[in-house]
Amino acid sequence: DQQVKQNSPSLSVQEGRISILNCDYTNSMFDYFLWYKKYPAEGPTFLISISSIKDKNEDGRFTVFLNKSAKHLSLHIVPSQPGDSAVYFCAASWDSNYQLIWGAGTKLIIKP
Amino acid sequence: DTGVSQNPRHKITKRGQNVTFRCDPISEHNRLYWYRQTLGQGPEFLTYFQNEAQLEKSRLLSDRFSAERPKGSFSTLEIQRTEQGDSAMYLCASSLALTRQAINEKLFFGSGTQLSVL
Repeated sequence: DQQVKQNSPSLSVQEGRISILNCDYTNSMFDYFLWYKKYPAEGPTFLISISSIKDKNEDGRFTVFLNKSAKHLSLHIVPSQPGDSAVYFCAASWDSNYQLIWGAGTKLIIKP
Repeated sequence: DTGVSQNPRHKITKRGQNVTFRCDPISEHNRLYWYRQTLGQGPEFLTYFQNEAQLEKSRLLSDRFSAERPKGSFSTLEIQRTEQGDSAMYLCASSLALTRQAINEKLFFGSGTQLSVL
């Protein structure tokens, strides 16, 4: 039973345009969400996070939106750059729990 | 700061053999995690240490798996009697938690150990 779902295995975006990566979750107890980026042969790198008390968090070119009623979050990258090409993972956690539940990842390809 | 270091990077073993992986976290980090990742999937939680204490272990984790963090610094993950289904990338992560609150801090991952069981 996948509690965190990333339904798009891959996404191709033109350089300079907006990249939108989506994530859905089923567990209403989740109260903290994170996005990680992973390059080949490297471990995941933290990108941005959001608490359930917020609906938006922004950090430079990266913005995460949370829609609790729809159990949906998205990561926006504007403008997209070639170095953004990577696999993006959505992860979630909840109070008193020390493990992250991860989605399967979306491979983002930025075309020059 | 050298980041999180994992050794070896690759391990090929025969079914039934025991293997041990090592993780050296960022020196001041008090939390250490082990995750496992298979192709096309996100990381799957295995276990977690707060300093030297192992505080949580996945219910899915076989008894063949054991982890230690004897002095609250480096950690080892041992798999006994390996099976082909153990083939995966084993990731270690560390973090600095300033409160007792459950995970809300960012994790720093190592590059992982790729295990292949023949």
